[in-house]
Amino acid sequence: DAGVTQSPTHLIKTRGQQVTLRCSPKSGHDTVSWYQQALGQGPQFIFQYYEEEERQRGNFPDRFSGHQFPNYSSELNVNALLLGDSALYLCASRPLGNEKLFFGSGTQLSVL
Amino acid sequence: GNSVTQMEGPVTLSEEAFLTINCTYTATGYPSLFWYVQYPGEGLQLLLKATKADDKGSNKGFEATYRKETTSFHLEKGSVQVSDSAVYFCALTRSGAGSYQLTFGKGTKLSVIP
Repeated sequence: DAGVTQSPTHLIKTRGQQVTLRCSPKSGHDTVSWYQQALGQGPQFIFQYYEEEERQRGNFPDRFSGHQFPNYSSELNVNALLLGDSALYLCASRPLGNEKLFFGSGTQLSVL
Repeated sequence: GNSVTQMEGPVTLSEEAFLTINCTYTATGYPSLFWYVQYPGEGLQLLLKATKADDKGSNKGFEATYRKETTSFHLEKGSVQVSDSAVYFCALTRSGAGSYQLTFGKGTKLSVIP
């Protein structure tokens, strides 16, 4: 049983570009969350998707958007990249109603 | 708002030493509390949790007790091993139905030397 898988593993972009990160949740999980982990910091909640809709959102600008597909997989899009967007982006999934999150290994985004 | 403060690292211990990583929190209501562990090159894994005051979470020899009076959830282990070397994160969820947004501390890096 595959866990949470994220792609790509690493990504390098330049300021002003747009990026799309992808996540496949663990089998049987229908809720997906995204977190941003800057170097030396704890992860920060970006948003959560369930039934293809954004259900909760953290303190992130509209440049950060997402999508959830009918098969529960998800994408995180970031527009107009800033140097400060450089971070490890983590996807986490869980079954609805269960507090236990399963995290992927993340996508390391570097913005130059 | 909610916040989590945990002791600064890095922490370096010899094998079989006693471990304590302090964690205190600020939150409204009655949050659930968690410890997550991040091994090198891997995703975060839930280590243990507690959902109400005086609950003790335990797993793999690690323990933490939910202390509402001191708003703390300190992580302890009686005898650490080299394989425990990782980054440990204290976290909480905002209380309320359907809310599973986690607020994390900054993490504490633990290195255990033989």
